[in-house]
Formats: sequence, C-alpha cells, structure tokens
Amino acid sequence: DTGVSQDPRHKITKRGQNVTFRCDPISEHNRLYWYRQTLGQGPEFLTYFQNEAQLEKSRLLSDRFSAERPKGSFSTLEIQRTEQGDSAMYLCASSRELNVNEQFFGPGTRLTVL
Amino acid sequence: DAKTTQPPSMDCAEGRAANLPCNHSTISGNEYVYWYRQIHSQGPQYIIHGLKNNETNEMASLIITEDRKSSTLILPHATLRDTAVYYCIVRDGNFGNEKLTFGTGTRLTIIP
Repeated sequence: DTGVSQDPRHKITKRGQNVTFRCDPISEHNRLYWYRQTLGQGPEFLTYFQNEAQLEKSRLLSDRFSAERPKGSFSTLEIQRTEQGDSAMYLCASSRELNVNEQFFGPGTRLTVL
Repeated sequence: DAKTTQPPSMDCAEGRAANLPCNHSTISGNEYVYWYRQIHSQGPQYIIHGLKNNETNEMASLIITEDRKSSTLILPHATLRDTAVYYCIVRDGNFGNEKLTFGTGTRLTIIP
C-alpha cells in the first residue's frame, strides 16, 4: 500500500495561467475524491469519481475547473485562467467501493496564484 | 448532512487521555459520526466512525450519547504526535452520499 500520491506538491503560477494537478489513488480503490482547503478552514468537497464516471460536482467547481479520470486510475484536476482566489491546498483522496467510510488522503498540492 | 460544533482548540498533557467533544444536535437517524484528523502539512487521516454504539479501534474510542446529539472522541494516552486538527463530521450513510463535509475542527495541542 503505497498511499495516495499527488503531483506536484507545490505550484506557483501567475494569474490567468492554466494549471493541472495529478492524483494517483491507492491501487484498486475505485472511488476518487478532490477537495480544496484554504488557510484555517477544513477541506471542502469539489468532486468525486467512481471508476471513470464523475458522479458528483460541488457548486464550488466553477466552469474554470475540470476533473477527469479517463481510465479509472489516476485523475487530473485542471484550473483554467487561474485567479488569486484559487490559491489553496488541493487534496485528493481515494476509497474502496465496499468501504467508503474511510477515505485515504494524499499530501495535497499547494497552489499559489500571484 | 447535519452541522457539527466543536471547540476551536484544546490542550492535553502528554500521556493523559484527550477527550474531544462534538455537538450534532440535528443528526438524523441514518447519519453516521466520523472523526478525521489533520497533522500539520499532511492530508486528513481517518480515525473512527459510528452510528449509535460506542466504537473502539487501535487509535481511539468514540462515545455517542444515547440521543445521538453529541459524541466524544477519546485518545487514551495522548502523545506529541497526536497534535493535530480533529474534525467531527456527520454524513448520511446511504450509498452514493460520498462527500465529507468538514468544519473548522478542534486544534488539539499535546503539552510535554
């Protein structure tokens, strides 16, 4: 069990640029979740996948955000035309379909938009 | 999902039991209580969950009141590594309701 990995760990970008983050879940976990966390707050749910199907999206996920999980394994989260308000920690988690009670979180990608 | 209320911060002496309270007075019958913690610069970590019975695992014990309107997470012998933000979360147990709704949690500091 190698855990959930995320890449990159840190990203600094200028306002208006596009960024893409990658999440590799624990193998055989068919559920994958994205959360966003700003300073001093708890994580906020963004979206989740069962295999390659995106089953729920939060209203926080504006049109500039898109998430994919094309082969049901790794997932990407893209933010287009970044804004300073997008600065946050982006967390990925995964779980087994038969045990959705325990979500395993990755270390996160910290995004700073200048 | 029902809202939870937790104290913003608590201290506990190393080696003592840490008791973290959570109020969830609007919890409904099919909602579970979950606890996660987040150590600085890491992602959240699952601790324990329960519906109405008390639960215990290798990390902690969860005590849920009979009316289910509040619960307490107990770390029996706190160590410095238990310093973290602890989140109490209530979630519908129905299949398909996957998301975790975190509040601001309780910042627990273990004092040497």
